[in-house]
Amino acid sequence: QVQLVQSGAEVKKPGASVKVSCKASGYSFVGYTLHWVRQAPGQSLEWMGWVNPGNGYTKYSQKFQGRVSITADTSASTVYMELSSLRSEDSAVYYCARAPDNLFGDYWGQGTLVTVSS
Amino acid sequence: SYELTQPPSVSVSPGQTATITCSGDALAKQFAYWYQQKPGQAPLLVISQHTERPSGIPERFSGSSSGTTVTLTISGVQAEDEADFHCQSADSGGAWVFGGGTKLTVL
Repeated sequence: QVQLVQSGAEVKKPGASVKVSCKASGYSFVGYTLHWVRQAPGQSLEWMGWVNPGNGYTKYSQKFQGRVSITADTSASTVYMELSSLRSEDSAVYYCARAPDNLFGDYWGQGTLVTVSS
Repeated sequence: SYELTQPPSVSVSPGQTATITCSGDALAKQFAYWYQQKPGQAPLLVISQHTERPSGIPERFSGSSSGTTVTLTISGVQAEDEADFHCQSADSGGAWVFGGGTKLTVL
């Protein structure tokens, strides 16, 4: 069965970077793009970007351009999302999602809580 | 970029029908998708491409579309349906946008 398993919770100081992983299993890793979406406490979902593991292509939300990097390691069937220059407003749960035709998330990771605090 | 607008909250009694709308100019050209999210859980896809129900989603969940508005309908609402519901669409480049989310309360 399709599974996306994310790395554990992180606590970071303002200005630091965080790297969250998402390990895929149960399907052809290179056959689907993987997206990252975050959700701040009490807020709705916010799209960050995607990576195509088959060719390494990426696309990022303009809001995070220059601060986010999404990469894929095909040997490990794992996608990574790195967010730099963290501020308190980046405290959120970060999700990865598999995206058929790049249009929607049919399977989601369990989420990773990132807390930014001095 | 574009926006999707949802009502912040909808309340219904058990057994009644809940309707949640999502409006945005992009919906006239792009499909909408609906997710159910319960506290502490990841979103769960309940409707795809305006009207398609993924395998395992109860038949009481349905979707419709008219112009720039899409609607999620839950017929015969059950207590377990209480959750936040998010609509989502995507442009041709795969950039996603979400609505603000609707909290469904089962009275």
